[in-house]
Amino acid sequence: NAGVTQTPKFQVLKTGQSMTLQCAQDMNHNSMYWYRQDPGMGLRLIYYSASEGTTDKGEVPNGYNVSRLNKREFSLRLESAAPSQTSVYFCASSEAVSGGTYFGPGTRLTVT
Amino acid sequence: GENVEQHPSTLSVQEGDSAVIKCTYSDSASNYFPWYKQELGKGPQLIIDIRSNVGEKKDQRIAVTLNKTAKHFSLHITETQPEDSAVYFCAATRGGSARQLTFGSGTQLTVLP
Repeated sequence: NAGVTQTPKFQVLKTGQSMTLQCAQDMNHNSMYWYRQDPGMGLRLIYYSASEGTTDKGEVPNGYNVSRLNKREFSLRLESAAPSQTSVYFCASSEAVSGGTYFGPGTRLTVT
Repeated sequence: GENVEQHPSTLSVQEGDSAVIKCTYSDSASNYFPWYKQELGKGPQLIIDIRSNVGEKKDQRIAVTLNKTAKHFSLHITETQPEDSAVYFCAATRGGSARQLTFGSGTQLTVLP
């Protein structure tokens, strides 16, 4: 039981490049989330998916898109990376109304 | 939207002493309050949570208290050990179709041997 897995662990992009961060969970959770974490700050919600087939914006959605590929997988795409998107990105999953929210190990992204 | 404030930002204690971290929230509709521990280079790990219909919850050396009237909740760690050293985050959510968490800014806890 791997929990929440994320790929890649590290990535360096040049300004304007695009990339997709991958996330998968094996806990049969309905809801999935993408957060970013910047130094000295807590985690901020980018996008979430309450259930398969739905996605919604969080606190900081600008510059990102998401896809809920199936119940297990939720990807985050940066179409044109900017230095302000340098951050650590965490994927998480939860049951909708009970149980905890569980996080993956993170992807450390640097945009130069 | 919800706003969560967390204090202190850094906390140093001697091994064996207790540590207390406090959070306040703004949305009176929030009803679920988890606490996370994050070690360097890792993702946040859920350590304890509390729902709004409960005032206190304990799990071995860790306890969380909730005061809904004052809109604040606290994490208490007793008999601290060096392996408790980490960044701790509080969070709050009103729940609903999904559990969108609003996080505090974190507390760096250092347990001195």
